[in-house]
Amino acid sequence: DTAVSQTPKYLVTQMGNDKSIKCEQNLGHDTMYWYKQDSKKFLKIMFSYNNKELIINETVPNRFSPKSPDKAHLNLHINSLELGDSAVYFCASSQARGNTIYFGEGSWLTVV
Amino acid sequence: KQEVTQIPAALSVPEGENLVLNCSFTDSAIYNLQWFRQDPGKGLTSLLLIQSSQREQTSGRLNASLDKSSGRSTLYIAASQPGDSATYLCAALKAAGNKLTFGGGTRVLVKP
Repeated sequence: DTAVSQTPKYLVTQMGNDKSIKCEQNLGHDTMYWYKQDSKKFLKIMFSYNNKELIINETVPNRFSPKSPDKAHLNLHINSLELGDSAVYFCASSQARGNTIYFGEGSWLTVV
Repeated sequence: KQEVTQIPAALSVPEGENLVLNCSFTDSAIYNLQWFRQDPGKGLTSLLLIQSSQREQTSGRLNASLDKSSGRSTLYIAASQPGDSATYLCAALKAAGNKLTFGGGTRVLVKP
């Protein structure tokens, strides 16, 4: 039973399109995150939500818009996709700040 | 601004040898430090979490130490096995806020 699940796992799309990645956690955690891992494998936080409220927005272009309908879900919508958006996007969750973070398996986004 | 560095970027050892993975961070005002494992095409799995007040944490063959004053953490893996081959990442959580800063990872290959 997957703790943090995200869909789709692979996504290939053209420049200029709009796409969404969905994330759900069944751990009962209060905090959820989106991370981006670039081609050099560096992981950087993009957003963090605590109980549906945005608490971290790490200078991400406003083409990226997270949405948390409830504390178990944190979706990522990306408008007007650019080549540089190609990366692996990881969703994660934790019970509270400072607790162990659980990651999803990643969504591989390729913009062509 | 916190910077986390992991050297070397890659490491290859024969099976049975002990592994020593290094992590350094520039800002000692951390809440905790976490070690993760990432397998190809997969998400991150948490291995150990060391609170800022702790000096080390152990789990099975894994032992992680933390020296805040020198800005260093070390992950020791005893009696390495081919199944230990993966990328190992460390991440430091700021004392204030919810931002986890990752190192670039050390890619480990354990040869049978």
